[in-house]
Amino acid sequence: GAVVSQHPSRVICKSGTSVKIECRSLDFQATTMFWYRQFPKKSLMLMATSNEGSKATYEQGVEKDKFLINHASLTLSTLTVTSAHPEDSSFYICSASSGPGDTQYFGPGTRLTVL
Amino acid sequence: ILNVEQSPQSLHVQEGDSTNFTCSFPSSNFYALHWYRWETAKSPEALFVMTLNGDEKKKGRISATLNTKEGYSYLYIKGSQPEDSATYLCALYYGGATNKLIFGTGTLLAVQP
Repeated sequence: GAVVSQHPSRVICKSGTSVKIECRSLDFQATTMFWYRQFPKKSLMLMATSNEGSKATYEQGVEKDKFLINHASLTLSTLTVTSAHPEDSSFYICSASSGPGDTQYFGPGTRLTVL
Repeated sequence: ILNVEQSPQSLHVQEGDSTNFTCSFPSSNFYALHWYRWETAKSPEALFVMTLNGDEKKKGRISATLNTKEGYSYLYIKGSQPEDSATYLCALYYGGATNKLIFGTGTLLAVQP
C-alpha cells in the first residue's frame, strides 16, 4: 500500500506555543488529506478534510482558527495547533486518499502533550 | 448522526483459535465499508473496502463479509497468530462531496502464544 509519513511523532510544548505537524504522501499524489484526533478509548474523530489548493473543510465543533490546515501540494498537508493549551493534548493522525471512497492511507500519528 | 459500532471492544484468544468480530452501521446510509488493522506504534493498515451486499473479501487468514440490508460486517481471522494482535477498525464511507469516513471505536485483539 501507499506510504504516508507524519512528523513529528511526538512533541511536548509549553502552553501558549504553536505546533506544526506535517503529513506527507511519499509515493502517490493525494487529492485529499484528512486530519483526525483520537481521545483515549475513543474512535478516530475527523477534524477536517483538505483538498490540494483549497481551504480545508472543518467538522462541526472544530475551531478553524485554532487548528490551521494547509494543503499546499498533492504530497503535503500541515496542521498547526495555535496557542496550544493542555486540553489540546491528544493523538493527531493524518490520512491521504487519491479519490472519493478510495482507501485512506494513514500516517503513524503525532502524540502532542501541552504542559 | 451516523453511528458505527464495533463489538466486542476487546478480545483475548489463544494462538490457533479462530475469531470474529462485528461492525454495525445504519443500513440506510451505506456507500462503502472499510476495514483497517492498527498495530501499536504503526500506521493503520487498510485491509478491505467493501461495497456490495453479500461481498466477501479475503486476505490470507483474514476475511470479511458484508450485509448492507441489515447493516453489519463481520471480520474473521482463521488460526490467530500473535502477530494478528492489533486494533481492528471499521469505517463507514459517508459519500457526498468528500470521501469522509466515520470510524467505529475498534476491537482490540490480543492473541496469546
